Amino acid sequence: QVTLRESGPALVKPTQTLTLTCTFSGFSLSTSGMCVSWIRQPPGKALEWLARIDWDDDKYYSTSLKTRLTISKDTSKNQVVLTMTNMDPVDTATYYCARMGAVAGTGALDYWGQGTLVTVSS
Amino acid sequence: DIQMTQSPSSLSASVGDRVTFTCRASQSISSYLNWYQQKPGKAPKLLIYAASSLQSGVPSRFSGSGSGTDFTLTISSLQPEDFATYYCQQSYTSPRTFGQGTKVEIK
Repeated sequence: QVTLRESGPALVKPTQTLTLTCTFSGFSLSTSGMCVSWIRQPPGKALEWLARIDWDDDKYYSTSLKTRLTISKDTSKNQVVLTMTNMDPVDTATYYCARMGAVAGTGALDYWGQGTLVTVSS
Repeated sequence: DIQMTQSPSSLSASVGDRVTFTCRASQSISSYLNWYQQKPGKAPKLLIYAASSLQSGVPSRFSGSGSGTDFTLTISSLQPEDFATYYCQQSYTSPRTFGQGTKVEIK
């Protein structure tokens, strides 16, 4: 059974760095083709793709946010970590992690975590 | 970046209606197009991948079509549990952009 769970602070102050952890089970990020992505959704707004890390440690970032984002993985712990620097109130959103790669070659996100709401406020 | 544009942004429909909405890519993405359903307070759920393949466990009333830049998602007979927001996403290249969503509301 595949599960993903996001964890991190619910509240951060402006200019601080956000660190989110995605802990997953039911698959291995060392398996060829597997990837984990981060997506966010401001309240009442659309989904926004943020970043992705692949089984071979290739990394991809949102063009508009790439200077602020870092994604990494700890395969032994089944975790993917996303850091976002210089947080601003506009970064208030629910942050999701999701698995990609099971449906080979399609890039579909077939399993999602439940999301974690991060509020940026002083 | 590839821009994904969905239309309409919302629609009102009745149970039993056939509904179709569209997603357009700013450049050709072949068939690298996925559709997700999201209900309030929940994570998105994969419905269709590779433009027309039904994800396991998804009812057959959902279907997808298209290739290149123009795609459609059709619900053949709208059910009460289908009232939700639907997002398309291109997986042709990174960054893997989403559309802005189509909200399906009860008429």
